[in-house]
Amino acid sequence: DARVTQTPRHKVTEMGQEVTMRCQPILGHNTVFWYRQTMMQGLELLAYFRNRAPLDDSGMPKDRFSAEMPDATLATLKIQPSEPRDSAVYFCASEGNQETQYFGPGTRLLVL
Amino acid sequence: GEDVEQSLFLSVREGDSSVINCTYTDSSSTYLYWYKQEPGAGLQLLTYIFSNMDMKQDQRLTVLLNKKDKHLSLRIADTQTGDSAIYFCADNGGATNKLIFGTGTLLAVQP
Repeated sequence: DARVTQTPRHKVTEMGQEVTMRCQPILGHNTVFWYRQTMMQGLELLAYFRNRAPLDDSGMPKDRFSAEMPDATLATLKIQPSEPRDSAVYFCASEGNQETQYFGPGTRLLVL
Repeated sequence: GEDVEQSLFLSVREGDSSVINCTYTDSSSTYLYWYKQEPGAGLQLLTYIFSNMDMKQDQRLTVLLNKKDKHLSLRIADTQTGDSAIYFCADNGGATNKLIFGTGTLLAVQP
């Protein structure tokens, strides 16, 4: 049963620390998305990649966030330095046929 | 820009039908989707419909699409307590490959 996996599932850190979130897309899926979900803003698209190349990262604060795909099986989202307002659930999704997106379980981040 | 709107909350009794509604603005969408999010979990794809169809049925789920009015609905027959979740509709926003999500409808099923 192919699934998107994300690690860690939960992360508690202090303001100013670096946070790295990882995602393994479904094998064979070439497009990978990063979303952030909060109560106030709902689901926001941060960035997405196709064939490992960034297509759109306009939703991401550039000064502290960075997203990469070092290889086809790994996408990373990094926050440095983290701030309390970054507390959210971060989802990765990969795209299958008919542009359907399959979401991972999310990384729940709390920045104190 | 593109927008997808949903009502925030729906409460039904177990065994009744639920109808969750969604309106969208992008007339170039080729697919429209329904996702379900249970507490503490990611979004799970429930079903999707191609924009040249007006209905799709999948077991207890029926999707109706009125392209003229840009209105999408999800009907859940014989709603169960396990159907309690947030339901998101989304459209694929034409050529951008980005899904535009609604704000989600919280479905509460009363026993």
